[in-house]
Amino acid sequence: EVQLVESGGGLVQPGRSLKLSCAASGFTFSNYYMAWVRQAPTKGLEWVASITNSGGSTYYRDSVKGRFTISRDNAKSTLYLQMDSLRSEDTATYYCTRDRGVMDAWGQGASVTVSS
Amino acid sequence: DIQMTQSPASLSASLGETVTIQCRASEDIYSGLAWYQQKPGKSPQLLIYGASSLQDGVPSRFSGSGSGTQYSLKISSMQTEDEGVYFCQQGLKYPWTFGGGTKLELK
Repeated sequence: EVQLVESGGGLVQPGRSLKLSCAASGFTFSNYYMAWVRQAPTKGLEWVASITNSGGSTYYRDSVKGRFTISRDNAKSTLYLQMDSLRSEDTATYYCTRDRGVMDAWGQGASVTVSS
Repeated sequence: DIQMTQSPASLSASLGETVTIQCRASEDIYSGLAWYQQKPGKSPQLLIYGASSLQDGVPSRFSGSGSGTQYSLKISSMQTEDEGVYFCQQGLKYPWTFGGGTKLELK
């Protein structure tokens, strides 16, 4: 069974940093692109970033470029999202997803609140 | 970026009723279209990919169709467990973009 389990969410002040992790199991992690998708409270879904299976290429939405960094450790089957210079508009539940052009597996989500 | 527009924003349906949700892309996405269902407090789940292919485990009352810029999701017989929010997503090119969602309630 495919499982994605996020951790690292919490309350953080504007301008500070936070790092999310996603532990994957039930599939060969190194074979798949992975992505982060977020959902602000009572809002829709918003793709944040993706990374190729090797980690050699990354893709970001414009609003997080230069602030967020997606990375992975294939030996640990773990995906990461380093979030720097956080803003109030980054407040959301962040989902770890398997990216096949469609998101065919989702974690339970990690809540990130940016507030002073 | 490719813009995805869903309609309606909300609807209610009776048990057994046929439900159709529309999704329009701002340019041709060559059937690179997925549908997701999200129930309250839960993560989204993939229903349809490639515009019309049913994800494993999804009931056959769900179907997808369309091409070019116009796509639709049909639920052939509304069930209680189908309540939730439905999103479309284009998977042609980054940045992946989602529709605004359609909230489906049981009448």
